[in-house]
Amino acid sequence: QLVESGGGLIQPGGSLRLSCAASGFTVSSNAMSWVRQGPGKGLEWVSVIYSGGTTYYADSVKGRFTISRDNSKYTVYLQMNSLGAEDTAVYYCARVNRASLDSWGQGTLVTVSS
Amino acid sequence: QSALTQPASVSGSPGQSITISCTGTSSDVGGYNYVSWYQQHPGKAPKLMIYEVSNRPSGVSNRFSGSKSGNTASLTISGLQAEDEADYYCSSYTSSSHPYVFGTGTKVTVL
Repeated sequence: QLVESGGGLIQPGGSLRLSCAASGFTVSSNAMSWVRQGPGKGLEWVSVIYSGGTTYYADSVKGRFTISRDNSKYTVYLQMNSLGAEDTAVYYCARVNRASLDSWGQGTLVTVSS
Repeated sequence: QSALTQPASVSGSPGQSITISCTGTSSDVGGYNYVSWYQQHPGKAPKLMIYEVSNRPSGVSNRFSGSKSGNTASLTISGLQAEDEADYYCSSYTSSSHPYVFGTGTKVTVL
């Protein structure tokens, strides 16, 4: 099970950190990903952290977002800086298994607006 | 990395079969057997329906099947039911600097 938290209303240019708490498996031994969905839009892959620690980002967030994890807390994070209106979306955390996302959280809404 | 191309909408009557296509390139769909499909009902999180082109996770109905030919993957829903009405997204591993890409999404309507 995955539970996201940390979303909310934030002003343009601001920062926010999302958390994803896992239960039933360890985040250290699984690849974990963040996916977002803007209002009325499709799914957009955002970032992934592999079990070895390698990270990748979509071009749209590279240099602004950072994915990390705390193995002791079974938690994955997404630090989001320099937020703009285009980052407004529901953010989902998901476990990567055989290049597919086999377990998803319920999502947390991030709204960037003044 | 451009999104994979899916039809915006597909519809069918109960009991019929429908197929959703997902077209990419040799750098994603055509280059790897790592195509997956997701079902998303309004206001809900996506659910994995197919992984590695044609494999169903435990608990997913065998009315759902996947295939691939060249740079195009397909999801077929047979014996269409009212509960199948949802948005469907394909996804593929890619050789680009960011390893995953989603399709544009298809709205399935049960008439």
